[in-house]
Amino acid sequence: DADVTQTPRNRITKTGKRIMLECSQTKGHDRMYWYRQDPGLGLRLIYYSFDVKDINKGEISDGYSVSRQAQAKFSLSLESAIPNQTALYFCATSGGRGTEAFFGQGTRLTVV
Amino acid sequence: AQRVTQPEKLLSVFKGAPVELKCNYSYSGSPELFWYVQYSRQRLQLLLRHISRESIKGFTADLNKGETSFHLKKPFAQEEDSAMYYCALLLSGNTPLVFGKGTRLSVIA
Repeated sequence: DADVTQTPRNRITKTGKRIMLECSQTKGHDRMYWYRQDPGLGLRLIYYSFDVKDINKGEISDGYSVSRQAQAKFSLSLESAIPNQTALYFCATSGGRGTEAFFGQGTRLTVV
Repeated sequence: AQRVTQPEKLLSVFKGAPVELKCNYSYSGSPELFWYVQYSRQRLQLLLRHISRESIKGFTADLNKGETSFHLKKPFAQEEDSAMYYCALLLSGNTPLVFGKGTRLSVIA
């Protein structure tokens, strides 16, 4: 079984719709991250959380929100999706400094 | 703010040729540096971290604090090395893992 699981794997949604991407991990790590991947732009950090009560904005948080429901779960929401949010979204978890980050398989989101 | 720079978007080499993927960072302290790799249709996975000073799949990377670089090297490229490579930076304290824009390595037979 994968250490980090993202659902859905693929999603097509219409402009203006609300959508939630979910992430769960079995590593027992406190730190969780959401990134988006775009060609030529690499991985950009959207939000991160270092424990259940901690939520921090990344470099591109506008238009997104997150919820840390439990140590193992970190969901990303697009309140009103727009076409330039079309991207591949990755969730990751790590144990902090000195440890490896583990990634989900990605969610390919298309906003039409 | 900390920053990771990978100057090459695409690097094409012939099989058996040496490979060097460049990574520079902007931070004057003691960061942790990593290389992650993403093979086609797979999730990102850790390739190397500087604190381990190890060689994985023939790749090595040395942290040069004077040049603030962490270049990834392999003496003889293989076709299976074709992938997207990301350099990543982690500072001390409660800071997030930050990635460069990535370099796509294409090894030509």
